[in-house]
Amino acid sequence: EVQLVESGGGLVQPGRSLRLSCTASGFTFDDHAMHWVRQRPGKGLEWVSGITWKSDNIGYADSVKGRFTISRDNAKNLLYLQMNSLRHEDTALYYCVRDRNYGVFYDMDVWGQGTTVTVSS
Amino acid sequence: SSELTQDPAVSVALGQAVRITCQGDSLRNYYASWYQQKPGQAPILIIYGNNNRPSGIPDRFSGSNSGNTASLTITGARTEDEADYYCGSRDRSDYRVVFGGGTKLTVL
Repeated sequence: EVQLVESGGGLVQPGRSLRLSCTASGFTFDDHAMHWVRQRPGKGLEWVSGITWKSDNIGYADSVKGRFTISRDNAKNLLYLQMNSLRHEDTALYYCVRDRNYGVFYDMDVWGQGTTVTVSS
Repeated sequence: SSELTQDPAVSVALGQAVRITCQGDSLRNYYASWYQQKPGQAPILIIYGNNNRPSGIPDRFSGSNSGNTASLTITGARTEDEADYYCGSRDRSDYRVVFGGGTKLTVL
């Protein structure tokens, strides 16, 4: 079964850091680009970041550029999101998402169930 | 910044057809995809590459893209189609993505 399982969410104070992880299973991880997409409470989807299969191209939303870093470990089937200088507006459910393609970003065909990040003092 | 614009809410009578639209400059250059999200669930991909359905998606869902407008059409809406629908596409480069604000579909 194709599966993405996020972990690492939690309550964190503004200005602090958090690292999210996503464990992929049931498919060849390095055949796909990967993304993080978030959804603030009661709001729509917001693309956060994406990474190609061999990490040679990475993109970030303007709202997180310079604060968040995406990375992957193809040997361990893991995707990461290092989040620094967290703000209240980063509070959201963070989804790990698989791209149908391995390079240029296309469509997101497999979604995890998400991990919740709450930024609050 | 680039954006995709969707109507916040649309309603359709049971069994009728409905079109949900998505407008944005990025659609002139890039494919559109569509995602369905039901309350408390993760989104699922229902249309990719403008007009392709993943396996398991009913053929009452179809998509198109012309100019700066992409459309999702549901032919013969069912109660289980009540959901939020989001369009998505690449945004100004091959390595950026943008989503529309979402359309809440109500089936009457």
